[in-house]
Amino acid sequence: GAVVSQHPSRVICKSGTSVKIECRSLDFQATTMFWYRQFPKQSLMLMATSNEGSKATYEQGVEKDKFLINHASLTLSTLTVTSAHPEDSSFYICSTKRAWDSNQPQHFGDGTRLSIL
Amino acid sequence: KQEVTQIPAALSVPEGENLVLNCSFTDSAIYNLQWFRQDPGKGLTSLLLIQSSQREQTSGRLNASLDKSSGRSTLYIAASQPGDSATYLCAVGGQNFVFGPGTRLSVLP
Repeated sequence: GAVVSQHPSRVICKSGTSVKIECRSLDFQATTMFWYRQFPKQSLMLMATSNEGSKATYEQGVEKDKFLINHASLTLSTLTVTSAHPEDSSFYICSTKRAWDSNQPQHFGDGTRLSIL
Repeated sequence: KQEVTQIPAALSVPEGENLVLNCSFTDSAIYNLQWFRQDPGKGLTSLLLIQSSQREQTSGRLNASLDKSSGRSTLYIAASQPGDSATYLCAVGGQNFVFGPGTRLSVLP
């Protein structure tokens, strides 16, 4: 069964709207979750690493004030795209792994397709 | 900085053929390598995970090999089926992954 649940699967909204995406770890407590973005015909790019109980670590070039990450519990991380614009339209996908074991695989959610009009 | 490439970018084969997808990476200091399948507009399905100490992993018709010293991995698909049509991604790393651009596979009935 699914290890990671991501919601919603698709969002279409007007420019300037803030959008929240949820990522839940179903199978284990995840102290670390990852957020990726995938533009059309491109591969996945890591945006940020979400750490339970502390601030997220953002990759270079990713605006932390625009992409707010909250990891308030061991099973839930949220990504909020604030004041979204058409250039933010993309496929956003989260993943989890048992952080204490680097040899464990990453498990991915089904992704959220965000379309900003 | 780790860079991952995949060859070919796209592949079209008739049903029943055996095929090989290639993944190369520049930094051999990796923890593991994972192969994924992505269907159009969908998330990722993990296929195989190879630890840095392993040479290969097998699951059904899939076999993945890893040569860390040369920075290469291959995914072998035996007796391909139309249902195998998807984009195949390799990712290398440990705490987080660096993804390759993927190989888009079409298996024709």
